[in-house]
Amino acid sequence: EVQLVESGGGLVKPGGSLRLSCAASGFTFSTYSMNWVRQAPGKGLEWVSYISSSSSYIHYADSVKGRFTISRDNAKKSLYLQMNSLRAEDTAVYYCARGGPHYGSFDPWGQGTLVTVSS
Amino acid sequence: EIVLTQSPATLSVSPGERATLSCRASQTVSSNLAWYQQKPGQAPRLLIYGASTRATGIPARFSGSGSGTEFTLTISSLQSEDFAVYYCQQYNNWPPGTFGPGTKVDI
Repeated sequence: EVQLVESGGGLVKPGGSLRLSCAASGFTFSTYSMNWVRQAPGKGLEWVSYISSSSSYIHYADSVKGRFTISRDNAKKSLYLQMNSLRAEDTAVYYCARGGPHYGSFDPWGQGTLVTVSS
Repeated sequence: EIVLTQSPATLSVSPGERATLSCRASQTVSSNLAWYQQKPGQAPRLLIYGASTRATGIPARFSGSGSGTEFTLTISSLQSEDFAVYYCQQYNNWPPGTFGPGTKVDI
């Protein structure tokens, strides 16, 4: 069974940093692209970042460019999101999602980890 | 950036009835459109990709249609487990993969 399990969320002050992790199992992690997608409380979905299977290609949403860094460790079957200079508007549930059957789609998704940015 | 509009915002239906959800793109996305289902407290789940192809394990009562700028998700006979929020997402101009605001299907 394909599983994605996020961790590392929590409460952080504005300007602070946090590192999210996503542990993958049940599939050959090294052959799939991965993404982070977030959802602010009571709001819709926003794609955050993409990383190709070998880390050769990386993309970010304009809203996080220069502040967030995506990375992966294929040996550990893990995806990461380093978040710096956090703002109140970064408060959201962060999901990791595997690249879906079409480039740009997402399937499946993890259960998410909540990041709250507040003083 | 391509903007997706979903209608209606809320759709009230009874179990066994047919539900039709719409998604409109501000410019053509060809057939590069997906639909996701999200139940309260759960992660989204991919239902449809390529505008009309059901994802693995998705029941046949879910169908997608359309191309260009107009798309439809149809649930032929609503089951109790289908009450959820449904999002469309375009990936024609990707990144970013923009999502619509969602349609809530409730009883």
